[in-house]
Amino acid sequence: GQQVMQIPQYQHVQEGEDFTTYCNSSTTLSNIQWYKQRPGGHPVFLIQLVKSGEVKKQKRLTFQFGEAKKNSSLHITATQTTDVGTYFCAGARAYNFNKFYFGSGTKLNVKP
Amino acid sequence: DTEVTQTPKHLVMGMTNKKSLKCEQHMGHRAMYWYKQKAKKPPELMFVYSYEKLSINESVPSRFSPECPNSSLLNLHLHALQPEDSALYLCASSQERGIAAPANYNEQFFGPGTRLTVL
Repeated sequence: GQQVMQIPQYQHVQEGEDFTTYCNSSTTLSNIQWYKQRPGGHPVFLIQLVKSGEVKKQKRLTFQFGEAKKNSSLHITATQTTDVGTYFCAGARAYNFNKFYFGSGTKLNVKP
Repeated sequence: DTEVTQTPKHLVMGMTNKKSLKCEQHMGHRAMYWYKQKAKKPPELMFVYSYEKLSINESVPSRFSPECPNSSLLNLHLHALQPEDSALYLCASSQERGIAAPANYNEQFFGPGTRLTVL
């Protein structure tokens, strides 16, 4: 069955509004990565989280890894039209760190 | 050079054809991956090579045959495919654990993909 759940499936926001996508794993993860895929493009690495409770920021993007290392979130503050795309989380387990379980993705549309 | 290249960009093949997809990277990465991505779906792991050896096969049908001739190249040989195999095939590479940058070990670099159509 699906190892990593991601919600919401779609999000439509007005430019300037905030956006959050959530990932939930059925098992404890060793690390979690976030990727962005623009329409017609390929996934591009954004960040990796490794530690329990870790929070990382990249400009308007804030990434969190849960204390139990089973969930993660990506929050974008004041979205811009350049944020349009699908955001995927991908988790790996300690004993198989090259095997990534991708979440189903959240497609973000930003209206100008 | 932080690029993963894939050829061809597009491929149309019949169910009886034999074709190959190619992937190349020159970042010194020792882990290479094949993913399959259907429209509006996440990438689905097919194979992982670690130090040129197949380390993960996600129960992929034998009509897909991977090959890693050296540390820079990864091939996917296709034979007797079905129309439902039509998808975007993505190659990725990453450093192997233990030889990594502190923050982003096993960050995957994806190639642009080969869009495959099976008639």
